[in-house]
Amino acid sequence: AQKVTQAQTEISVVEKEDVTLDCVYETRDTTYYLFWYKQPPSGELVFLIRRNSFDEQNEISGRYSWNFQKSTSSFNFTITASQVVDSAVYFCALGRGFNKFYFGSGTKLNVKP
Amino acid sequence: DTGVSQNPRHKITKRGQNVTFRCDPISEHNRLYWYRQTLGQGPEFLTYFQNEAQLEKSRLLSDRFSAERPKGSFSTLEIQRTEQGDSAMYLCASSFRWQARYNEQFFGPGTRLTVL
Repeated sequence: AQKVTQAQTEISVVEKEDVTLDCVYETRDTTYYLFWYKQPPSGELVFLIRRNSFDEQNEISGRYSWNFQKSTSSFNFTITASQVVDSAVYFCALGRGFNKFYFGSGTKLNVKP
Repeated sequence: DTGVSQNPRHKITKRGQNVTFRCDPISEHNRLYWYRQTLGQGPEFLTYFQNEAQLEKSRLLSDRFSAERPKGSFSTLEIQRTEQGDSAMYLCASSFRWQARYNEQFFGPGTRLTVL
């Protein structure tokens, strides 16, 4: 069975603070893909990052970074120096090939000025 | 390159009425997905197409729901005899099947359905 858990329902930070969003997944597949999407108040899901299961190298892209650990089935996402525009709901998703995605329930991030 | 578009953006209907939503994927994307999102939850898979073939349907897709993708271009999702429990945001996404390692799905703005 495939499952994604985002235990943090809502997080509030003050602008310029760093914030990490947690994601834990379950799958029996050996090849799978993990994603982070952002859903601002306008409602449209915006693709942020993708990580393939066979590549555990962690990367940094601008203010975004992610920590993929197969041993703990976690795919955490960090925003450095948060900004008010980062306020949104963030979803972690699990996919296999071009099949359907399994989404977590989302973490609402509030960045206060 | 335009993104995924969905129409209408909002639909209010009375219980028992039929509704139809349209999705236009990114051009040349051969995979098209439908998801449903209720308040406070993540999107839940409904169905997906590769070109015009419907490859999978979720058990969430009752007999009242039908989706088509004629000619492998735009897609329609129809709900017959709507119920109040159908109230949700219906999201469409598309992706291009070339390399699985680049399989991110691009989402449209959604159609918000309210059933009175």
